[in-house]
Amino acid sequence: QQQVKQSPQSLIVQKGGISIINCAYENTAFDYFPWYQQFPGKGPALLIAIRPDVSEKKEGRFTISFNKSAKQFSLHIMDSQPGDSATYFCAATGTSGSRLTFGEGTQLTVNP
Amino acid sequence: NAGVTQTPKFQVLKTGQSMTLQCAQDMNHEYMSWYRQDPGMGLRLIHYSVGAGITDQGEVPNGYNVSRSTTEDFPLRLLSAAPSQTSVYFCASSQTGGAAVLWTEAFFGQGTRLTVV
Repeated sequence: QQQVKQSPQSLIVQKGGISIINCAYENTAFDYFPWYQQFPGKGPALLIAIRPDVSEKKEGRFTISFNKSAKQFSLHIMDSQPGDSATYFCAATGTSGSRLTFGEGTQLTVNP
Repeated sequence: NAGVTQTPKFQVLKTGQSMTLQCAQDMNHEYMSWYRQDPGMGLRLIHYSVGAGITDQGEVPNGYNVSRSTTEDFPLRLLSAAPSQTSVYFCASSQTGGAAVLWTEAFFGQGTRLTVV
């Protein structure tokens, strides 16, 4: 049972475009929602994270939008660059702090 | 400061063989965990530990054993490898302080790519 569902599985955008990745969760006990970025041959690395008491968090070109009532959250990458080409994972965790539940992953390709 | 170090990076096993994947962290993190990554399935939690001497099962624990004798090390053992265990394995660590501490960043190793033939 996948408690965090992520879409799309793959995404191709042109340089300068907006990349949007969506996630939905089921467990209302989740209270922290990080996004991880993974380059080929590397481990995932934290990109940006949000708590459900805010609806949006922005760090540079990366923005998380959060809809608590719909149990959905999304990652927006503005002005997408070829260097953003990677696999992106959404995740969720509860008050236990560290046990992460991951989405299926989205392979993003940004064409020059 | 090396972060989370996993060895080996690549391994090929024959069905039925045993092996240990090593994981070490130098950040004095209490929490360590093992994930496996398979195409289209994200990362799934195998086992985790909240401190030395304490381990628990994750989502997909069958076929794997762990122990945590020190804060720094968290090895993952495959007792009798099966082709279904072909995957990329990631170890992660993070600081945790119980319910009073907000969630903290998990740091991942570079991964071990395991093939069981």
